[in-house]
Amino acid sequence: AQSVAQPEDQVNVAEGNPLTVKCTYSVSGNPYLFWYVQYPNRGLQFLLKYITGDNLVKGSYGFEAEFNKSQTSFHLKKPSALVSDSALYFCAVRGPTGGGNKLTFGTGTQLKVEL
Amino acid sequence: KAGVTQTPRYLIKTRGQQVTLSCSPISGHRSVSWYQQTPGQGLQFLFEYFSETQRNKGNFPGRFSGRQFSNSRSEMNVSTLELGDSALYLCASSSRGTVGGSTEAFFGQGTRLTVV
Repeated sequence: AQSVAQPEDQVNVAEGNPLTVKCTYSVSGNPYLFWYVQYPNRGLQFLLKYITGDNLVKGSYGFEAEFNKSQTSFHLKKPSALVSDSALYFCAVRGPTGGGNKLTFGTGTQLKVEL
Repeated sequence: KAGVTQTPRYLIKTRGQQVTLSCSPISGHRSVSWYQQTPGQGLQFLFEYFSETQRNKGNFPGRFSGRQFSNSRSEMNVSTLELGDSALYLCASSSRGTVGGSTEAFFGQGTRLTVV
């Protein structure tokens, strides 16, 4: 069975500072990994994905994520946080074969960027 | 390209009633998945439909059912509603599985179901 862990319920960061939202995963075989963001009373918005290739993937709104196979991690990063980045962030995993398009999500991390 | 459209956005139902939620995927997407989001359980997978066939199902009781039409639109139905069914129900569409398709899923804004 596949699983995702987001160890921090909330991350606080000052605007202009770098941010990191942590994610670790467990899946059989090579993973497909995703980050989504959710604003209040809205659906999930796709940020970026890792399928194969470079361990550093770039996504929307200046976000990037670093895939580390040995540590089974896929941390979300941004060099300079904005107040508008404040939202709920979800990491998700899907196995490479079988299981269709089923995504398994972490519990989410609330990011709060303060002035 | 229009995004994923879910209707209605908000719904209030009484215990014991049934409800039907609708999802129109992005044009050309044949895969539609449904998720339930609650504060206590987080995001949980309900089921996935691809070309009118259910090909994956989560761990939910049989009161939760779905279907997909030939135009890829999908509906989910919950019968005999319970208070615990109050949640945000999210639909996601994907082009994975089609020629040239991509791997990520795109979500609608959800239907907020409140059971009283």
